[in-house]
Amino acid sequence: GENVEQHPSTLSVQEGDSAVIKCTYSDSASNYFPWYKQELGKGPQLIIDIRSNVGEKKDQRIAVTLNKTAKHFSLHITETQPEDSAVYFCASNFNKFYFGSGTKLNVKP
Amino acid sequence: EAGVAQSPRYKIIEKRQSVAFWCNPISGHATLYWYQQILGQGPKLLIQFQNNGVVDDSQLPKDRFSAERLKGVDSTLKIQPAKLEDSAVYLCASSSLSPRGSYGYTFGSGTRLTVV
Repeated sequence: GENVEQHPSTLSVQEGDSAVIKCTYSDSASNYFPWYKQELGKGPQLIIDIRSNVGEKKDQRIAVTLNKTAKHFSLHITETQPEDSAVYFCASNFNKFYFGSGTKLNVKP
Repeated sequence: EAGVAQSPRYKIIEKRQSVAFWCNPISGHATLYWYQQILGQGPKLLIQFQNNGVVDDSQLPKDRFSAERLKGVDSTLKIQPAKLEDSAVYLCASSSLSPRGSYGYTFGSGTRLTVV
């Protein structure tokens, strides 16, 4: 089955800096790659997603890039704010979803 | 649009007891999922329903876990008897499907289970 690896497990940045989280996947048939933000005591919330026919997608301060050849995709957050502090999960999907192990992002004011 | 509703939010039980969780998906979403999220890990799929039929339950510990989705809407997940290692957050999610894949994949807030 699919294997999704996510790095780093923790990330601490200063407010205003950029943050990058990377994921790799193993199944070349995977065609949908969402990113979720999970705040304490809440379920994961979709923040951005990308399909395999697209290389990059941007939504305000958040962007996702996909390299199908290398089987990796990344989340980029620019101008980080304290409210960006949360756990972020990547996932890949073909017939079902496989989640990465999560990255705890801490944005220091 | 109302989100995915789950109850209860928290549950504490002793080992060997039984427990049940309830989920009401987004209206019109044919696909419903139950996930187990152990502290510090990503969600792990337990079971997937398409309407009221099971699509995937390969990772459901069937000796103690059961789930049903009567009438293709609400769903319940049951654990009987519970073990200490079942302590986790149980997440329900729902989505609609198109020929290109899942859309509107939305999680509920989860039920935090503590087995003591």
